[in-house]
Amino acid sequence: QKEVEQDPGPLSVPEGAIVSLNCTYSNSAFQYFMWYRQYSRKGPELLMYTYSSGNKEDGRFTAQVDKSSKYISLFIRDSQPSDSATYLCAMSAETSYDKVIFGPGTSLSVIP
Amino acid sequence: DAGITQSPRHKVTETGTPVTLRCHQTENHRYMYWYRQDPGHGLRLIHYSYGVKDTDKGEVSDGYSVSRSKTEDFLLTLESATSSQTSVYFCAIAPGAYNTEAFFGQGTRLTVV
Repeated sequence: QKEVEQDPGPLSVPEGAIVSLNCTYSNSAFQYFMWYRQYSRKGPELLMYTYSSGNKEDGRFTAQVDKSSKYISLFIRDSQPSDSATYLCAMSAETSYDKVIFGPGTSLSVIP
Repeated sequence: DAGITQSPRHKVTETGTPVTLRCHQTENHRYMYWYRQDPGHGLRLIHYSYGVKDTDKGEVSDGYSVSRSKTEDFLLTLESATSSQTSVYFCAIAPGAYNTEAFFGQGTRLTVV
């Protein structure tokens, strides 16, 4: 079993839809959780960062962590074609970046 | 891309040849990282550097070596390229070790034939 699992998609939704992207993990020591967005042929960029459990909102994006279920989610409201990208979850037990484990990514297409 | 330049952007090489990828930064950041990205595996850390001449291994370091002789440059070398090293390689830089601070380059697409 991989440490971090993510549905690879591709996920295709109409513009304006609510998108739910999810990751599961096996290491209960993980406490730092991140979501990255990666456009085609580009490097990943940090989208959201959450420490421990709970929700965090930033504009149309909401990150949710459920440590009891070892499950994290990223919700995108009012999705736009510009949200079309691959979304990577990432997590670690420590603050050091060399300890961050990335999920394989979910490819999202938002159709106008 | 936060002052990071990877070169070359694309390379095709033959099995058994040495290959060096370069990551150049203009941010004067202390930390630099090399990752590979493969379908189904996400990003996996190869090596990283926490200062000039200070490097350490990551999760998938076998077959790779690195060097950092000056702050701005971090080189990744495949001593004898194999087809399993066909991948997209990303460099990342960070001012500190904390896991919210890294910025990624645009990647180098390497094909070993």
